[in-house]
Amino acid sequence: AQKITQTQPGMFVQEKEAVTLDCTYDTSDPSYGLFWYKQPSSGEMIFLIYQGSYDQQNATEGRYSLNFQKARKSANLVISASQLGDSAMYFCAMREPSGGYQKVTFGTGTKLQVIP
Amino acid sequence: GAGVSQSPSNKVTEKGKDVELRCDPISGHTALYWYRQSLGQGLEFLIYFQGNSAPDKSGLPSDRFSAERTGGSVSTLTIQRTQQEDSAVYLCASSLAGGLGSEQYFGPGTRLTVT
Repeated sequence: AQKITQTQPGMFVQEKEAVTLDCTYDTSDPSYGLFWYKQPSSGEMIFLIYQGSYDQQNATEGRYSLNFQKARKSANLVISASQLGDSAMYFCAMREPSGGYQKVTFGTGTKLQVIP
Repeated sequence: GAGVSQSPSNKVTEKGKDVELRCDPISGHTALYWYRQSLGQGLEFLIYFQGNSAPDKSGLPSDRFSAERTGGSVSTLTIQRTQQEDSAVYLCASSLAGGLGSEQYFGPGTRLTVT
């Protein structure tokens, strides 16, 4: 089974609208962390937001929020008031303990294009 | 402060040659990761160093791939007898030790092209 599943290879959103990028995960460990990263066409990976498995509240960072539904094992990223600069690849990732290590697994990504 | 740096930024090599890719993590970061990203794809985990512990090599695709980390800082990823399928961007990331919540800081990557 895939550890991280991002089912939307590509998304379009109108500038100033909100958009939700889907992410589901699979783990049997009660302790894990969920991350979203942005990768613009320039290639650098930029950390956006983090949600811990025990966090009671959904994480928020400026225009980014994480819709964490633990029972459904989903961690969707919501971007409000989209801007042209939000056009990029977005990756969901999970860190979990595994055999004494902390393994980090990335999804295949969603390409977001913001339309003026 | 200085971020994660990688060198070279681009490397073109002939099939069968060995290559070395270098990563300088952020000072004080004890965790270091190597990933491979093929064109338009996600990140494939290769290897993970945490402090002085034995590295997690479970992601290395073959015995042609190896990595070391000297003095808990700089890391070198070596690919022996390169093949065309090794062509990809190799990304290095570092993070602080400890909790599951430590975000990774990525370098700019090394684009490897095997001809």
